[in-house]
Amino acid sequence: EVQLVESGGGLVQPGGSLRLSCAASGFTFSSHWMHWVRQAPGKGLVWVSCINSDGSSTSYADSVKGRFTISTDNAKNTLYLQMNSLRTEDTAVYYCARGGIYSGSHSDYWGQGTLVTVSS
Amino acid sequence: DIVMTQSPDSLAVSLGERATINCKSSQSVLYSSDNKNYLAWYQQKPGQPPKLLIYWASTRESGVPDRFSGSGSGTDFTLTISSLQAEDVAVYYCQQYYSSYTFGQGTKLEIK
Repeated sequence: EVQLVESGGGLVQPGGSLRLSCAASGFTFSSHWMHWVRQAPGKGLVWVSCINSDGSSTSYADSVKGRFTISTDNAKNTLYLQMNSLRTEDTAVYYCARGGIYSGSHSDYWGQGTLVTVSS
Repeated sequence: DIVMTQSPDSLAVSLGERATINCKSSQSVLYSSDNKNYLAWYQQKPGQPPKLLIYWASTRESGVPDRFSGSGSGTDFTLTISSLQAEDVAVYYCQQYYSSYTFGQGTKLEIK
């Protein structure tokens, strides 16, 4: 059974940093693109970032480019999102989601999400 | 960037009736080399993560009831629920994955 479990969310002050993790199981993690998608309270889904299976290719939404870094540890089957210079508008539930084997694919499995609150 | 626009923003349908949600992309998401529309539909219920319903615009995900169907090509797409059930109350999102990734703003579906 495919499982994605996010962790690392919490309350952080503006300008602070946080690292999210997504532990994957039930599939060959090193074969799939992986995504981070966020959802501000009461708002819609916003794609944040993705990474390919060996970590050699990454992409970011303009709103987080230069502040967030996505990475993977295939030995630990874990996806990460390092978030620096956090702003109040980064407050959201952050979901990790499994993509396809190739780029340009839908996301078929999603984690339950972890809440990040940026506030003073 | 490709902008995805859904209509309507909210929809109330009687049980057993048809529900139709539209999604329009600002440019075509049909990839000519494989003739596939890079468009997915997701369902999100309160307090839950999104669930994949439809991909490649019209392919139903395994386990999704056949009352859900997707259609359209190029820039105009439709998600249809043929006979609304109480458990279908949710917010529905379209997503393009042709050029980066973009979601529509969501359509809230309720029971009339």
